Order: sequence, then structure tokens, then C-alpha cells
Amino acid sequence: DIVMTQSPDSLAVSLGERATINCKSTQSVLYSSNNKNYLGWYQQKPGQPPKLLIYWASTREYGVPDRFSGSGSGTDFTLTISSLQAEDVAVYYCHQYYSTTPTFGQGTKLEIK
Amino acid sequence: QVQLVQSGAEVKKPGSSVKVSCKASGGTFSSYAFSWVRQAPGQGLEWMGGIIPMFGPANYAQKFQGRVSITADETTSTAYMELNRLRSEDTAVYYCARAASQSSVTTDWGQGTPVTVSS
Repeated sequence: DIVMTQSPDSLAVSLGERATINCKSTQSVLYSSNNKNYLGWYQQKPGQPPKLLIYWASTREYGVPDRFSGSGSGTDFTLTISSLQAEDVAVYYCHQYYSTTPTFGQGTKLEIK
Repeated sequence: QVQLVQSGAEVKKPGSSVKVSCKASGGTFSSYAFSWVRQAPGQGLEWMGGIIPMFGPANYAQKFQGRVSITADETTSTAYMELNRLRSEDTAVYYCARAASQSSVTTDWGQGTPVTVSS
């Protein structure tokens, strides 16, 4: 299985400041035939199912605020929140859907400093 | 609008089985990829297995091979997950999730079904 490792495990950022979460996979999730990275990012708030934010590593899901952005390729990826809002407090997960057995990162808990 | 509605909370004894359902509305049921993902209390997301109804057999995470069965009923647009030989570590919220295809990201999630395994 492809193992996804996120860093840090938790993060405290001041309102209005930038938050950055990293995700590393044990093998590339870039499919060479279409040059797409099979990497998504989810936000999960307590008591709720995950919500898709980003897919293909950098494509924002419809309705997701543009302060959320994704970058990276191959095995190294980043989720950036450009200006943290109170409603962004949540756990964030990266997710590879490259293989027939998808996997998730362990999650990064984002809090307000 | 796509909706995934799961069955209600379950309390089970160790060694027993649980079967959770997920009724889908919106879109063409048989062509979508349905996954089951669980989340133990305070823990992360764990993919258990998935199925594309029009293609038949499910595939499973190695951890659950032999203990989980994922099926789909096209006549009722319902996916099922059955987990056998339950143990306390299986206490979790079980989510049904849907993607447009096996090579697409999961976009839709059910509300989750809490399963408690306790003697």
C-alpha cells in the first residue's frame, strides 16, 4: 500500500495568517499518461464526514474558498490556507486515489493560536 | 443532488457481524465507485474497500480481507458493508463514500453509521 505521511500532526496559526500542511507518499501518485497527480485534500470538522477541498493535487472543488490551495507533484504535496479564518479549524487529510487501494494521511489538526 | 443515506447506529457483541447500508440517490448508481471508510474514536480515516456495481466484485484493503464483504444492489441503489467476527477495536463510525469512477476522487459522503462493539 502507498503510505501517506502528513506533517505536522498539529498546527496552531493566528487568524489571518498562513497555514501550511505537508503530505508525502511512499511512491509517486503522478500518472504519466495524463500527467495528473491522484491526490486530494479533505477537511473534517467534529461530528461531520470529510469534505473535499482539493483534487488532482491543485484543483479546488466547487464552492471551496480561494484561500485554500494545493500544490506539489509526485510524492510531495502541500495544502495552504492563505489567511486563516475561524471556520477553518478542523482536521485535514491528504488522500491518494492512484492505487486500487486508496489511503489517507494520518491527519493534521489545525487550531487557532 | 447526490445523497448517500446510511442505516442507523448499531451496538454489537464481540464475535458477531454488522451490516451497514448506504442508499444512493442522484446519478447513475451502477457506474459510480462506492467505498467504505471507517474512523475509530479520535483517529483518522481508514479505507476498507470499494465496489463499482456495474463491474461486480469488490476489492478490499489487505487488513480487512476475509472479514469484510461489500456488495451493491442495483435494483434499490443501495451499497452494503458487512464486517464479521467483530472485536472491540472495530468500534468506529463507518462512512459510505462515492466517486465518479475508480480513478476519481471521492466527492460524496454519507452521514456515517456509529458501530459500537461491546460485551
